[in-house]
Amino acid sequence: DVKVTQSSRYLVKRTGEKVFLECVQDMDHENMFWYRQDPGLGLRLIYFSYDVKMKEKGDIPEGYSVSREKKERFSLILESASTNQTSMYLCASSPGETAGANVLTFGAGSRLTVL
Amino acid sequence: GQNIDQPTEMTATEGAIVQINCTYQTSGFNGLFWYQQHAGEAPTFLSYNVLDGLEEKGRFSSFLSRSKGYSYLLLKELQMKDSASYLCAVRDKDYQLIWGAGTKLIIKP
Repeated sequence: DVKVTQSSRYLVKRTGEKVFLECVQDMDHENMFWYRQDPGLGLRLIYFSYDVKMKEKGDIPEGYSVSREKKERFSLILESASTNQTSMYLCASSPGETAGANVLTFGAGSRLTVL
Repeated sequence: GQNIDQPTEMTATEGAIVQINCTYQTSGFNGLFWYQQHAGEAPTFLSYNVLDGLEEKGRFSSFLSRSKGYSYLLLKELQMKDSASYLCAVRDKDYQLIWGAGTKLIIKP
């Protein structure tokens, strides 16, 4: 069964801590994405990557960075966590072609609470 | 700006039919998606429409009218397991996905 696996389902961190959220996919997908999901809002794109060592800013990149050293792994980094980064973080991947459906496969999410 | 509107919450009865609407205003259009998300789980793909008309897939159907900026997801013979949030997303001219806030569907026996 194909999967996107997020390493942590629940995290509690303190303000100012550095936070790493890891995501691994086993589908050999070129594209990987980090979203955050907050009540009453649509998914908001933080960063995405179309290839190894490549990254592009999404709609809300401030306060975040990413790393993609291997094709299957895409990490989201919060350099100094703040309370307004308390959220559900969803990782997703998709095949490389832009035509057609190019469906996203999501991980189960990482719920981060910053105190 | 770009915007996707869908109802926040709907309630329906087991065995019945429900229609979840989605209206959009985006910079260009390259397809509309519906995803299902059970509480605490990952969103999963339901349907994709890029041409006007109805796409049927078992108990679920999705309709698109590009001229009206409108889509709906139709769920027939509702089951308790259909209780979930349904997310509408549109791919714009730059192939970026714009997401609605989701519709929470509650199924009652």
